[in-house]
Amino acid sequence: EVHLVESGGGLVQPGESLRLSCAASGFTLSDYYIDWVRQAPGKGLEWVGRSRNRAKSFTTDYAASVKGRFTISRDHSKNSLYLQMNSLKIEDTAMYYCARRYGGYDYWGQGALVTVSS
Amino acid sequence: QSVLTQPPSVSAAPGQKVTMSCSGSSSNIGNKDVCWYQQFPGTVPKLLIYDNNKRPSGIPDRFSGSKSGTSATLDITGLQTGDEADYYCIAWDSSLSGAVFGGGTKLTVL
Repeated sequence: EVHLVESGGGLVQPGESLRLSCAASGFTLSDYYIDWVRQAPGKGLEWVGRSRNRAKSFTTDYAASVKGRFTISRDHSKNSLYLQMNSLKIEDTAMYYCARRYGGYDYWGQGALVTVSS
Repeated sequence: QSVLTQPPSVSAAPGQKVTMSCSGSSSNIGNKDVCWYQQFPGTVPKLLIYDNNKRPSGIPDRFSGSKSGTSATLDITGLQTGDEADYYCIAWDSSLSGAVFGGGTKLTVL
């Protein structure tokens, strides 16, 4: 059975860093695109970034709002994917989801809450 | 302000049909596939439609999607009170080199 489990969320101050993990089970992570999507409290969905699969050399893309601050990486030995978030801003406060893309986002994690506040 | 434009809200009576729109441009909907998601408060979004008009296994045929030019549409027929949720469209934008969501449409079943 396919599962995605995020971890690593928490409360940080502006300018600090945080790394989210997305652990996959039930499938081989390297075969799929994985995107990060976030949702600020009471707001809509916002695409954050993408890590493509092995066939696409694990290339990445990022939303303009996070480019240069956020980095997606993979650890194939752990079947996991990471979102390194640096120079966090108050407006980065959101629930962060990793989602497997196959056609659309067919599986989502339960989310990791990131709160950036002084 | 979202790149894809959705009406903030729509409403219809139980049993009726509702149409939700998602308007974009040639750099996104005009040349890329559209997906639609349903989200209930406090829950993870659920894939309703992918590749403009395909339903994943388990999604009732009351839900259908279409695309014409730079706009996409989600239709829900035989509305049920359980369909009350937020609905989002998303497409890749080749100019931005990123995916873009619509702002979401809140469906109320009166």
